[in-house]
Amino acid sequence: DAGVIQSPRHEVTEMGQEVTLRCKPISGHNSLFWYRQTMMRGLELLIYFNNNVPIDDSGMPEDRFSAKMPNASFSTLKIQPSEPRDSAVYFCASSLRTDGTEAFFGQGTRLTVV
Amino acid sequence: GQQLNQSPQSMFIQEGEDVSMNCTSSSIFNTWLWYKQEPGEGPVLLIALYKAGELTSNGRLTAQFGITRKDSFLNISASIPSDVGIYFCAGQLSAGNNRKLIWGLGTSLGVNP
Repeated sequence: DAGVIQSPRHEVTEMGQEVTLRCKPISGHNSLFWYRQTMMRGLELLIYFNNNVPIDDSGMPEDRFSAKMPNASFSTLKIQPSEPRDSAVYFCASSLRTDGTEAFFGQGTRLTVV
Repeated sequence: GQQLNQSPQSMFIQEGEDVSMNCTSSSIFNTWLWYKQEPGEGPVLLIALYKAGELTSNGRLTAQFGITRKDSFLNISASIPSDVGIYFCAGQLSAGNNRKLIWGLGTSLGVNP
C-alpha cells in the first residue's frame, strides 16, 4: 500500500485565492482526519470523517474552511478565501479505528499564503 | 482547554546515550500514543498504550502509561543518528464524548554522531 497520499506537497498562493488540498486515504481505512500543524499551536485536528460522514468539525477555524469526502478514497479541504494566517502544514491521516488512534499520516501539504 | 505538557522541549545528546522524555496532564487519559516526525514527513506512530501501568517496547524504544493515567514516558536506549526528529505524545481523554486526540508540542531530539 502506498500509504496516505496528499497533494500538492507545496502550495503558494496569494491572499484571497481559493486553495484546495487533496487526500487519498489508505484503502480499507474508514476514518479520515485533517490536521493543521504550526510551530505555535502544534498539531490541531480540524475535522474527521467516519465512513465518509463528517463526525466532528469543531476544529475548523472558521467558515472559510470546508471539507468533503465524496467517497471512501478521496477527501478535500478547501480554504476560500485564503489568508496569510492560514499558512501551515496540513496533514491528512487515516485509520481503521474511529477514535483517531493508530492513524497513518500523509506527508502533508505546506501551504504558504502571501 | 485540555493540555498536554511535553518535556523537554528539545535535547541534544551524544550517539549511544539513553534518552527520556515525558508528557503530563491534569486530566485523565485512557490512551497514550507516541509519534515521531522527521523533516518533511508526517508523524509516524511508534507505540500505543491502552492500559494504566502498561509498559511497551518497540526495539530500542520503551513507553509507559503512567499509573495515575495523567502521564506517559518514552525512553530511547543507545541512541543513533537516525533517532533525530520530533517526538510527539498524544492522548485521548477518558471522560466525555469527545474522542479527539490531544497532542503535545513535541520534543526535538538531536544526536551527535
